[in-house]
Amino acid sequence: GNSVTQMEGPVTLSEEAFLTINCTYTATGYPSLFWYVQYPGEGLQLLLKATKADDKGSNKGFEATYRKETTSFHLEKGSVQVSDSAVYFCALSDNDYKLSFGAGTTVTVRA
Amino acid sequence: DAMVIQNPRYQVTQFGKPVTLSCSQTLNHNVMYWYQQKSSQAPKLLFHYYDKDFNNEADTPDNFQSRRPNTSFCFLDIRSPGLGDAAMYLCATSRETGGDQPQHFGDGTRLSIL
Repeated sequence: GNSVTQMEGPVTLSEEAFLTINCTYTATGYPSLFWYVQYPGEGLQLLLKATKADDKGSNKGFEATYRKETTSFHLEKGSVQVSDSAVYFCALSDNDYKLSFGAGTTVTVRA
Repeated sequence: DAMVIQNPRYQVTQFGKPVTLSCSQTLNHNVMYWYQQKSSQAPKLLFHYYDKDFNNEADTPDNFQSRRPNTSFCFLDIRSPGLGDAAMYLCATSRETGGDQPQHFGDGTRLSIL
């Protein structure tokens, strides 16, 4: 079956630091991959997505590249801000309705 | 402008007293989903509608029901809430099913059980 393994948190960083959150997946087909972000007290927001191998998703300074050879979709941002403090979920969807989520990584950015 | 709207944001009910959570969407999407999210966990899919076709997840308790009277609205009914049902409930939509379709989430309803 499909599964997503995500770097465990919590992660605490200083402002302007580099952020990486590792995500690897297992899927039977050719999934689409997503990163969602959840700010405190809110629902999930789509941060970025990639639908095929070697695609790079990017948004708000965040990037992730779909690596089929390593079954990975690591999230990166070069310079984080306090406003990036949130929970980040990696997810995949394998040609049906269902999103398989990772466990989530809590990121706290200190000023 | 909010596109997936959940009401209320916070709901308190008594143990065993039925409660209904509501979701509306302005996206005209075919698919609507209900998730349960407990503290520090990923969302767990309860069920989804494709148009009027209802699809229940195998492990969703019978205590949870849903209605979709039209394209825009979807309701989650909890017939006899127990303490273990206290959680954030998230509604989401997508244009179609299919792997490349992102889901659009509302801000959730946080349910507390007294």
